[in-house]
Amino acid sequence: SQQGEEDPQALSIQEGENATMNCSYKTSINNLQWYRQNSGRGLVHLILIRSNEREKHSGRLRVTLDTSKKSSSLLITASRAADTASYFCATDATTDSWGKLQFGAGTQVVVTP
Amino acid sequence: GAVVSQHPSWVICKSGTSVKIECRSLDFQATTMFWYRQFPKQSLMLMATSNEGSKATYEQGVEKDKFLINHASLTLSTLTVTSAHPEDSSFYICSARGTGRQPQHFGDGTRLSIL
Repeated sequence: SQQGEEDPQALSIQEGENATMNCSYKTSINNLQWYRQNSGRGLVHLILIRSNEREKHSGRLRVTLDTSKKSSSLLITASRAADTASYFCATDATTDSWGKLQFGAGTQVVVTP
Repeated sequence: GAVVSQHPSWVICKSGTSVKIECRSLDFQATTMFWYRQFPKQSLMLMATSNEGSKATYEQGVEKDKFLINHASLTLSTLTVTSAHPEDSSFYICSARGTGRQPQHFGDGTRLSIL
């Protein structure tokens, strides 16, 4: 079963704009991960944030985690057409990091030139 | 590094046929592999977790006699959809992870269409 909800379900922006998507989950977690999926392809791991971390950066990506609200956000700055994809959050509730993941519903992002 | 190859990428077959999908870790040893199913515009649903040399652990609602999983080596896991029917048509994705604190690495998926 899916662990969380993501919003918005879909997001359409122009190149250069920032894209923000949110993820909420229900149970306690060990870490939360964000993945990207291009149409008809597998998933690419973007970033992992542990439950004791509040913010993490990787290139143009910024992830926040609020365990009190059981929510996370992914910000993509200065978006490019190549960022067009579906983005999923996934929670790992196991004590062993990188264990079984529960995926959110995903946000479909379209970046127009 | 950490490449997972999934084969075939697309298969179309008649109802009643059994279909085997392979998932290989090319440059690392995968102690655990996961099989997911994804419907159009939906999220990934975990079907089963397999550890090398052990029987797979299936998620609730997944028929283990329908979806046979074999993880016979540290680089290969297979999913066989037995006696496939049109309702089994879907996008199947595998992932693999190595020992220790390693992330899951995903294959490119297999689109299965049963006529």
